[in-house]
Amino acid sequence: SYELTQPPSVSVSPGQTASITCSGDKLGDKFVSWYQQKPGQSPVLVIFQDSKRPSGIPERFSASNSGNTATLTMSGTQAMDEADYYCQAWDSSTVVFGGGTKLTVL
Amino acid sequence: QLQLQESGPGVVKPSETLSLTCTVSGDSISSSSYYWGWIRQPPGKGLEWIGSMYYSGSTYYNPSLKSRVTISVDTSKNQFSLKLSSVTAADMAVYYCGRQKTDSSWYIFYWGQGTLVTVSS
Repeated sequence: SYELTQPPSVSVSPGQTASITCSGDKLGDKFVSWYQQKPGQSPVLVIFQDSKRPSGIPERFSASNSGNTATLTMSGTQAMDEADYYCQAWDSSTVVFGGGTKLTVL
Repeated sequence: QLQLQESGPGVVKPSETLSLTCTVSGDSISSSSYYWGWIRQPPGKGLEWIGSMYYSGSTYYNPSLKSRVTISVDTSKNQFSLKLSSVTAADMAVYYCGRQKTDSSWYIFYWGQGTLVTVSS
């Protein structure tokens, strides 16, 4: 079965740039979406189709996908960005989520 | 604004069948271009896709759960449902329903608030 691998945790200082990676075999050939989840809340879609932002998602959220790695980047990270982030792709008629990355802003 | 609301028992006994319903408001469940899916999240763990269904009956299931899962839709009530049989403690989770775009990305823009299901005798 297809797997997406994310680092368990990433730390960033306020105002700096945070990057979260998501790795999978030939991931660049698939569309990747990213979700933000804060404690006790449902996930929120922040990126779809590799790099598109839904309405209402701040411009500081951007993403790319190439080769075997997709990357979610948050520029000028704010305290409110502290959350768990999940990547997601579609492979062989299944939805696959990455294991999630806890972003700490400190 | 599309809204999804999960409902069902909060406690299920081991070996029994978990049954949840997702009620959709703000759009027809028969809309084209969308599948309707279930996702779960065990306490403190990550997201796991369970399966998705088109209003016409086409379904996709997580291979690891396929033998125990049934997803069905009731267009007259604008609802879709999840049944998971032979539950164990490992099935304890927050269960979310969501609407998925039927392109090759299958992203989930709309999520329900989630409902916690505990497996306990």
